[in-house]
Amino acid sequence: GENVEQHPSTLSVQEGDSAVIKCTYSDSASNYFPWYKQELGKGPQLIIDIRSNVGEKKDQRIAVTLNKTAKHFSLHITETQPEDSAVYFCAAPHPYSGGGADGLTFGKGTHLIIQP
Amino acid sequence: NAGVTQTPKFRILKIGQSMTLQCAQDMNHNYMYWYRQDPGMGLKLIYYSVGAGITDKGEVPNGYNVSRSTTEDFPLRLELAAPSQTSVYFCASSYVQGGSYEQYFGPGTRLTVT
Repeated sequence: GENVEQHPSTLSVQEGDSAVIKCTYSDSASNYFPWYKQELGKGPQLIIDIRSNVGEKKDQRIAVTLNKTAKHFSLHITETQPEDSAVYFCAAPHPYSGGGADGLTFGKGTHLIIQP
Repeated sequence: NAGVTQTPKFRILKIGQSMTLQCAQDMNHNYMYWYRQDPGMGLKLIYYSVGAGITDKGEVPNGYNVSRSTTEDFPLRLELAAPSQTSVYFCASSYVQGGSYEQYFGPGTRLTVT
């Protein structure tokens, strides 16, 4: 099955600065990589995802990059704001199926703290 | 739409008791999932379903059972609860078509087994 490693576990940045969270995966057949944001007491919510046929995807202040050769992908948040404070999870398909339909394997999460 | 709803929000069980966690979605999604989240950890897949009448095991299925008699409902059954099942349980659903796999999560059920 898939193994997803996520770093760092905690990230503290000044408001307005950028934040980068990195993940690696083990299954070279995986082709779908989502990022979820979880606020306290709530379920995770998808913020951006990327497929293996592209190297980068942007949505306003959020971007995801993918390096299939190295099997890692990263979340970039620019111009951070207080409402960005949350736990962020990367994920990859589970089990060995390539796509994400049969469930996801999640990283352990990154607690992002935006300092005023 | 209510999205994905879960009941109860909180529950305390004694060791050896049984219970059913309820999950329903009103988005006509074909896929549904159950995950558990332990403190400081990511979510782990327990079971999933690709449609009514079809279920399959995920990464951590031991001690749990599921059924999918309708598109809308996907209950999770715990038999003989153990302290190791203390966790937050999330149900999710997804409409899998054309390469879209976004999963929509419910608010979670916090379960404590003592």
